[in-house]
Amino acid sequence: GAVVSQHPSRVICKSGTSVKIECRSLDFQATTMFWYRQFPKQSLMLMATSNEGSKATYEQGVEKDKFLINHASLTLSTLTVTSAHPEDSSFYICSARGQSRGLREKLFFGSGTQLSVL
Amino acid sequence: AQKITQTQPGMFVQEKEAVTLDCTYDTSDQSYGLFWYKQPSSGEMIFLIYQGSYDEQNATEGRYSLNFQKARKSANLVISASQLGDSAMYFCAMREDTGRRALTFGSGTRLQVQP
Repeated sequence: GAVVSQHPSRVICKSGTSVKIECRSLDFQATTMFWYRQFPKQSLMLMATSNEGSKATYEQGVEKDKFLINHASLTLSTLTVTSAHPEDSSFYICSARGQSRGLREKLFFGSGTQLSVL
Repeated sequence: AQKITQTQPGMFVQEKEAVTLDCTYDTSDQSYGLFWYKQPSSGEMIFLIYQGSYDEQNATEGRYSLNFQKARKSANLVISASQLGDSAMYFCAMREDTGRRALTFGSGTRLQVQP
């Protein structure tokens, strides 16, 4: 099956620093990638949708200047949490959708990144 | 309005027994997809099963089956012959076939399989 690699799996940073999370589709081309956020014991909330070569579309209430998304190639999307604060501490998980019809019915998820801001 | 509703925050089941996890959804689209994912404590999202809105037969994947009742807008997950490794969070999700086609998730059900 299709594989999505997400790094790092865990990151601890100081308040005010920026953190970059990578999401890479390993064996398929992902035209669209989604970024989700999950607080402890809660559901996944969509943050933004990124399409290769275009600007990301952010969900209402998500600060686009705080969460920078880049989808420069068909296999890589990055989420940068800028000037992180303790309230940004959360589990971030990406998912990718392939181009071919066989893959279109599924979204493939990365393994997630646990961000802790001190 | 909440689009995906999972009314069971937690469920217990005895090993080797079957369990049903409830999910109802709300959409005005005619074309949509329904998914179930398993999330163990490690955090990864494991795809379990998919049901398209136009599929006439209920989806099955090994020990997982989806009880799709379109008129009631329900998509319950049935796990047969529960195993200890089935203990995890289970999320129901819907993808509408318009717009960005992202998944919208329910609040999840924590399943605990007891020996």
